[in-house]
Amino acid sequence: GAGVSQSPSNKVTEKGKDVELRCDPISGHTALYWYRQSLGQGLEFLIYFQGNSAPDKSGLPSDRFSAERTGGSVSTLTIQRTQQEDSAVYLCASSSSGGSQPQHFGDGTRLSIL
Amino acid sequence: GENVEQHPSTLSVQEGDSAVIKCTYSDSASNYFPWYKQELGKGPQLIIDIRSNVGEKKDQRIAVTLNKTAKHFSLHITETQPEDSAVYFCAATGGSYIPTFGRGTSLIVHP
Repeated sequence: GAGVSQSPSNKVTEKGKDVELRCDPISGHTALYWYRQSLGQGLEFLIYFQGNSAPDKSGLPSDRFSAERTGGSVSTLTIQRTQQEDSAVYLCASSSSGGSQPQHFGDGTRLSIL
Repeated sequence: GENVEQHPSTLSVQEGDSAVIKCTYSDSASNYFPWYKQELGKGPQLIIDIRSNVGEKKDQRIAVTLNKTAKHFSLHITETQPEDSAVYFCAATGGSYIPTFGRGTSLIVHP
């Protein structure tokens, strides 16, 4: 598998529960991005990693959202105490070095909060 | 920060016609302009990109043009086919390592 892999592909959970979304970037890609896409909308930037560091967390909508990246590879986006407005598709992308390089997207996790 | 405007939001054409999507950006430091195609239920996929030292780039039926002075760039699709139907996003990347995306254009190609 040469592409970006995200899991789960779909997640349904009750309001108030915590969820973890996983992203496996392309091997060797140092830059990793998380985006949120609401139905029929554009891409909302959440957080950017360069290696294991997150130089830009400016897009995280609240302190219920956090993300980490370990070993310069896999990243996890965690949403605590989920709310209905968190329902969206969460997309992950990686690129070889960030900045002016193409992004390679996974197919996302569709999160539904009941 | 960067601001990217994309028009139109919806574009409906007949098969075989050409389609043009336009984007403007605000940050003169932006130097990389990719276009992504997103099909239903999938993540965006890069279809073509251009850098600020180039004015035009073509790949078969797809072309992108860049006017740095006016700060706008456009996607041109010729001889459209039903499988071109998708949402298209432009983006601009400059001094920041974070691309700024347009809001997307839903292209519908009628057979």
